[in-house]
Amino acid sequence: AQSVTQPDIHITVSEGASLELRCNYSYGATPYLFWYVQSPGQGLQLLLKYFSGDTLVQGIKGFEAEFKRSQSSFNLRKPSVHWSDAAEYFCAVGVDQFYFGTGTSLTVIP
Amino acid sequence: ETGVTQTPRHLVMGMTNKKSLKCEQHLGHNAMYWYKQSAKKPLELMFVYSLEERVENNSVPSRFSPECPNSSHLFLHLHTLQPEDSALYLCASSQDRGGGAEDEQFFGPGTRLTVL
Repeated sequence: AQSVTQPDIHITVSEGASLELRCNYSYGATPYLFWYVQSPGQGLQLLLKYFSGDTLVQGIKGFEAEFKRSQSSFNLRKPSVHWSDAAEYFCAVGVDQFYFGTGTSLTVIP
Repeated sequence: ETGVTQTPRHLVMGMTNKKSLKCEQHLGHNAMYWYKQSAKKPLELMFVYSLEERVENNSVPSRFSPECPNSSHLFLHLHTLQPEDSALYLCASSQDRGGGAEDEQFFGPGTRLTVL
């Protein structure tokens, strides 16, 4: 069965520091890969997606993600975090349907 | 209105009540979805409609009943719910081009449901 793992339940970073959120998936082939962000009281907003081609994908709000086939990973990164980035981040795999991870909650401290 | 809207944003109901959640998408999409979001659990896909026909029902209890009268509107009818049904219910839409789960889903803000 397909599964998506986000091993970090909660991450705290200082404003201006770099960020990496981990995502691993279990699927036989390369699925479609997505990162979504959810701010309090809001729905999910797409940050970026990977279908094929260049394994480094650029998204909105200065985020990027790198697909590593050998590690079945699709980690999200940002070089310098802003206080407004505090939110819940979800990795998702698109196969026959979307499968979401449990999310990583990001706290940004001044 | 733009994007995907959901009403009400908050709902408190007793176990014997009947209520409905409403979702409307203004994106011209042809597929709509209901998800359940519970704390510390992955989003659970409940129902999928494509071209107004239900194509997915992930073994959801019958106390949840979806309705899709047209491609822009989606309802979730609720009756005799249990306290464990308390969650955030998210609606989403996408343009289903028949290629599988490659199309970005656009989400509404959700309805926070509390069952007493």
